[in-house]
Amino acid sequence: QQQVKQSPQSLIVQKGGISIINCAYENTAFDYFPWYQQFPGKGPALLIAIRPDVSEKKEGRFTISFNKSAKQFSLHIMDSQPGDSATYFCAASNTGGGNKLTFGTGTQLKVEL
Amino acid sequence: EAQVTQNPRYLITVTGKKLTVTCSQNMNHEYMSWYRQDPGLGLRQIYYSMNVEVTDKGDVPEGYKVSRKEKRNFPLILESPSPNQTSLYFCASSLGRQGRYGYTFGSGTRLTVV
Repeated sequence: QQQVKQSPQSLIVQKGGISIINCAYENTAFDYFPWYQQFPGKGPALLIAIRPDVSEKKEGRFTISFNKSAKQFSLHIMDSQPGDSATYFCAASNTGGGNKLTFGTGTQLKVEL
Repeated sequence: EAQVTQNPRYLITVTGKKLTVTCSQNMNHEYMSWYRQDPGLGLRQIYYSMNVEVTDKGDVPEGYKVSRKEKRNFPLILESPSPNQTSLYFCASSLGRQGRYGYTFGSGTRLTVV
């Protein structure tokens, strides 16, 4: 049972464009929603995170939008650059979850010149 | 440099031959986890530990063992590896619960069981 569904599986964006990755969750007890970025041969690294008491969080070119009623959240990468080419994972966790992050299946982003 | 160190990076082994993947962190983190990454399935938690001598199962614990005798180390043990355990494995540590302060991941161990 996939508790966090992520789409699309892969994404190609032109340099300077906007990359959008979507995630949906089922467990209403989730209260922490991070995004991780993974480059080839490396482990995932925390990119940005949001809690459900806010609808949007922005850090530089990266923005998380959160819709609690729809149980959806998304990552927007503005002015996408070739260096942003990586695999992105959304994740979710809940208090009492025993240090467990539930990850989405990942989106492979390629930013073309 | 704050980091999580896994060894080995690559390992090819035969079915049934016991192996251990080591994991060490230098950040004094209480929480450590093991994940496996498979195409189309994302990252799935195998085991986690909230402190020394405190471990618990994640989503896919079958065929794996862990121990936490020291705060910095969290080895993953495959007593009798099988081909379905061929995967990319990541160790991670966190200051807070549920990775609230961000998990720090190791660089991964690519395991092939033939």
